Amino acid sequence: DTGVSQDPRHKITKRGQNVTFRCDPISEHNRLYWYRQTLGQGPEFLTYFQNEAQLEKSRLLSDRFSAERPKGSFSTLEIQRTEQGDSAMYLCASSLERKAFFGQGTRLTVV
Amino acid sequence: QQQVKQSPQSLIVQKGGIPIINCAYENTAFDYFPWYQQFPGKGPALLIAIRPDVSEKKEGRFTISFNKSAKQFSLHIMDSQPGDSATYFCAASLSSGSARQLTFGSGTQLTVLP
Repeated sequence: DTGVSQDPRHKITKRGQNVTFRCDPISEHNRLYWYRQTLGQGPEFLTYFQNEAQLEKSRLLSDRFSAERPKGSFSTLEIQRTEQGDSAMYLCASSLERKAFFGQGTRLTVV
Repeated sequence: QQQVKQSPQSLIVQKGGIPIINCAYENTAFDYFPWYQQFPGKGPALLIAIRPDVSEKKEGRFTISFNKSAKQFSLHIMDSQPGDSATYFCAASLSSGSARQLTFGSGTQLTVLP
């Protein structure tokens, strides 16, 4: 499977804990995006990398959120001190030019 | 500020019908307009996309119609099948500069009855 891969698929955590998600993009894609999707809504942009450089961050990305893409390959999204409002599907997408391809997402539930 | 407005929120058609989903955008700088299909528990899958220099694009049973002056675009699904039952999202983005992220509509839940 050469698509976008996300791990884990599901994560249940207690409020206040830290969580980290991983995204492996399509290998030749230089652009990588993180989105958040809540039930019944469209995905909302969080942050964008071109190679290893983080070029855009949404105002949705509070100080508790941090993302990295070392060496321009895989990316991680960390949420510190999770809150119940962080419960959502976290989607990763990658692209080379215009077409963006999404992974299956990580479903986060904060209890 | 919601920059891409999508309607209807839900749609039910009979098998073989032609559901139409509409979107309107505000940012005239947008120059790339894709549609995504999403099944429950899965990530969005790219269906078809259009640029504003084209008024219509067809791929298989899916057609996008684009009206630049009205800042509107729509998705038509020909000969719809029960397997097309899913949530459909329109989106828009810039294709140059650093801000290339997609801005999504709120989604249309389509049900195709057998």
